[in-house]
Amino acid sequence: AQSVAQPEDQVNVAEGNPLTVKCTYSVSGNPYLFWYVQYPNRGLQFLLKYITGDNLVKGSYGFEAEFNKSQTSFHLKKPSALVSDSALYFCAVRDIYTGTASKLTFGTGTRLQVTL
Amino acid sequence: EPEVTQTPSHQVTQMGQEVILRCVPISNHLYFYWYRQILGQKVEFLVSFYNNEISEKSEIFDDQFSVERPDGSNFTLKIRSTKLEDSAMYFCATSERDEQFFGPGTRLTVL
Repeated sequence: AQSVAQPEDQVNVAEGNPLTVKCTYSVSGNPYLFWYVQYPNRGLQFLLKYITGDNLVKGSYGFEAEFNKSQTSFHLKKPSALVSDSALYFCAVRDIYTGTASKLTFGTGTRLQVTL
Repeated sequence: EPEVTQTPSHQVTQMGQEVILRCVPISNHLYFYWYRQILGQKVEFLVSFYNNEISEKSEIFDDQFSVERPDGSNFTLKIRSTKLEDSAMYFCATSERDEQFFGPGTRLTVL
């Protein structure tokens, strides 16, 4: 069974500083990996994905994520945080062998708090 | 930019009543999903739907749940006899290929 771990319930960072939100995964085959962001009372917004190719993927709003197969990690990063980045971030995984209609398995979420 | 829409945004119902949650997928998407998020908990998969049939369902998706595309555009989730523990935010998601796009959710409150 596939699973995702987000070890930090909350990450606090000052505006302008780099941020990292951690994610590790477990799948039986090769993973498709995703990051989503959820603002209060809103749905999940897609940020970025890793399917294949370059281990560093770039997404929306200046976010990027680094896929590390040996460490089974897919950490979300941003070089310079903004107060408006404060939200709940979810990492998700899909097993590529289970078909296009297969489910996403989400982590428990990490709340990012960016302060002035 | 195309979006997934969901109605209603908030549904309050009495235990034992039937509810239908509606979703309008992005027009060229072929894969449809329902997820739920109980307050303060993680997002959980309920069911996926492709080519007018269920592709996969979770343990949560028992006989009280059903899905359909009644008119080729809307995608609905029906809960036949709601329980208190069904109170959650229900998200519809649709995809063309890899990434799934989520609607804003329906908050279901069962009293």
